[in-house]
Amino acid sequence: DSGVTQTPKHLITATGQRVTLRCSPRSGDLSVYWYQQSLDQGLQFLIQYYNGEERAKGNILERFSAQQFPDLHSELNLSSLELGDSALYFCASSVEGRGTDTQYFGPGTRLTVL
Amino acid sequence: AQTVTQSQPEMSVQEAETVTLSCTYDTSENNYYLFWYKQPPSRQMILVIRQEAYKQQNATENRFSVNFQKAAKSFSLKISDSQLGDTAMYFCAFMKQWGAQKLVFGQGTRLTINP
Repeated sequence: DSGVTQTPKHLITATGQRVTLRCSPRSGDLSVYWYQQSLDQGLQFLIQYYNGEERAKGNILERFSAQQFPDLHSELNLSSLELGDSALYFCASSVEGRGTDTQYFGPGTRLTVL
Repeated sequence: AQTVTQSQPEMSVQEAETVTLSCTYDTSENNYYLFWYKQPPSRQMILVIRQEAYKQQNATENRFSVNFQKAAKSFSLKISDSQLGDTAMYFCAFMKQWGAQKLVFGQGTRLTINP
């Protein structure tokens, strides 16, 4: 158990819908990262937050957004869902979000868009 | 941009054997970090081992060790005395020391340990 929690574990929804994925980092970690794992794209970095502020952005679609709250938990919002958004979404956390840190991953949320 | 390549999509060995997984990467950075993550059937991403590019000594964690060749941009993982529980997807990953703290992953190697 990494100490990173993600809810829900599974999510099934329809095209065009909107969903919210939630992540709680390890105790003491200030930085949160979101990754997407799909069959065709592999594991890809989406976005990083540090202490409530966006720090880095990767291949995140405009239909997707994220935020980190004062209690440091983070939410990833996916809207206007398409079939291709079906994937495993991971949250990871680290102490300060620096290169010296190690990122610890949560168990993931499996999203299925029908 | 950094890229990570794992040239072995699948590997299979017998229990107790030693197996080496290959990884190469491309970067113009001088300071960076390399990782091996394991993803068992449960889908959890588990850190196996970490290597700092400025360290010449290869990292080891119990049965897991790496062969880090900076000039060749190669970072292989050796698993000694393999166990059934080592069956998993293994991902090699790269992260710059400075700038966006994102992990760049290879496509993975599916490792099966046979009894």
